[in-house]
Amino acid sequence: LAKTTQPISMDSYEGQEVNITCSHNNIATNDYITWYQQFPSQGPRFIIQGYKTKVTNEVASLFIPADRKSSTLSLPRVSLSDTAVYYCLVGDSNAGNMLTFGGGTRLMVKP
Amino acid sequence: GAVVSQHPSRVICKSGTSVKIECRSLDFQATTMFWYRQFPKQSLMLMATSNEGSKATYEQGVEKDKFLINHASLTLSTLTVTSAHPEDSSFYICSARVRGQGYNEQFFGPGTRLTVL
Repeated sequence: LAKTTQPISMDSYEGQEVNITCSHNNIATNDYITWYQQFPSQGPRFIIQGYKTKVTNEVASLFIPADRKSSTLSLPRVSLSDTAVYYCLVGDSNAGNMLTFGGGTRLMVKP
Repeated sequence: GAVVSQHPSRVICKSGTSVKIECRSLDFQATTMFWYRQFPKQSLMLMATSNEGSKATYEQGVEKDKFLINHASLTLSTLTVTSAHPEDSSFYICSARVRGQGYNEQFFGPGTRLTVL
């Protein structure tokens, strides 16, 4: 299973753009990259998923370079309510590979 | 997105008792459900994978006789913590896999906080 490495924590201020980068050097050909958000005492919430290049939805963008050995979650104009832990996962659940959680990045948004 | 529920959301029990946690996919059928455990300030750790109609697959170090998993239907999986002890106190989270559009997503339940006295 591909292992992921993320910064342990990040601080930001309201209104700023936040970019969280994840390294996954051993990503396999069939692996997708998925990001989840988790608030205290809640289950993780799916944010975005991608395979290559750029994916954008209503809450975030995901940038994946050509070699796919890293990815960057971009949160535009964060608010206090974006304070949470963000997890980057890689895996191919189609093949039965489980999504394994790494340490995650604890984002603190300050006023 | 798909909705996964868990019941109960919180349970407190005495040491030595057994506790059952239910995980339901409310608006879709889940052929595979996953059970995770999360200790304070730590990441989620996969405990087992539950496939409908077959035995669960447990991760290394997880006692299958202590954490009984039953996936009797495509919308329900249960985790029973048998003879619970204080060290089993944790946040238990289930997830269900959804098939669609060429790739799979996992949707997570809200979690169950277990406190063993």
